[in-house]
Amino acid sequence: EAAVTQSPRSKVAVTGGKVTLSCHQTNNHDYMYWYRQDTGHGLRLIHYSYVADSTEKGDIPDGYKASRPSQENFSLILELASLSQTAVYFCASSTPDWVSSYEQYFGPGTRLTVL
Amino acid sequence: GDKVKQSPSALSLQEGTNSALRCNFSIAATTVQWFLQNPRGSLINLFYLVPGTKENGRLKSAFDSKESYSTLHIRDAQLEDSGTYFCAAEDGNAGAKLTFGGGTRLTVRP
Repeated sequence: EAAVTQSPRSKVAVTGGKVTLSCHQTNNHDYMYWYRQDTGHGLRLIHYSYVADSTEKGDIPDGYKASRPSQENFSLILELASLSQTAVYFCASSTPDWVSSYEQYFGPGTRLTVL
Repeated sequence: GDKVKQSPSALSLQEGTNSALRCNFSIAATTVQWFLQNPRGSLINLFYLVPGTKENGRLKSAFDSKESYSTLHIRDAQLEDSGTYFCAAEDGNAGAKLTFGGGTRLTVRP
C-alpha cells in the first residue's frame, strides 16, 4: 500500500502571503494529485502530475501552482493566499498496474487556515 | 449538476442493522473507488471497482457502468463504521482523475 505523507499537517497563513504545501510518497507511484476539501463537502482536484517536471491543471486550478521536482515529491503553492483558500488539502498518488489501475491512495491531509 | 451524486446525504443506523449507500454518475465512469473518512479526517480505501462486485467482511460494493451507478452495502453496522463515506469515479474521457461525490455521513447508534 502506498505511503503518502504531507507537511505541514496544519498551517495558519496571512492573506496575501505565500504558502507551500508538500507531499512525499515512497511507493514509486507515477501519478500524484492535489485536492481540496471544504467543510461538509467532497474533494475537488486542483492539480495533478503524471511524471516529474510536468504538471496538469485539474478542475479548480485558479490561485494555485504545482511543482513536481521528482517522482516522490509534489508541492502545491499558493502565491497569494486568500480567505477562500481555507480548506483541508489532500495529496494522493497512484500508478497503473494490472491489478488496480489508478487506485489512488491519500495522505493524511493539511489543514490550512488563511486569516 | 453534480457529476457524481451520492444518496442519502446523511444516515443514522442502529447498531446491528443493514443499509445501502448509492452513487449515480453523469460522467462516463470506468472505475469507482469508495472511501471512509474517519472522524480524524483520514481517507481509508474501501473498494476499487471496475464493473462488477466486491466484498470485504461486512461491506459489499457493486458498480454498474452501463446504468451509471454504484452501491455500498453495510451489513451488521458497528459503531466504528461511523464516518463519512465517499464514492469517486474515474471518467473514461478525462484520464486518471477522480471526481468525488458529496459524501454520506453515517452515524451508527448503540
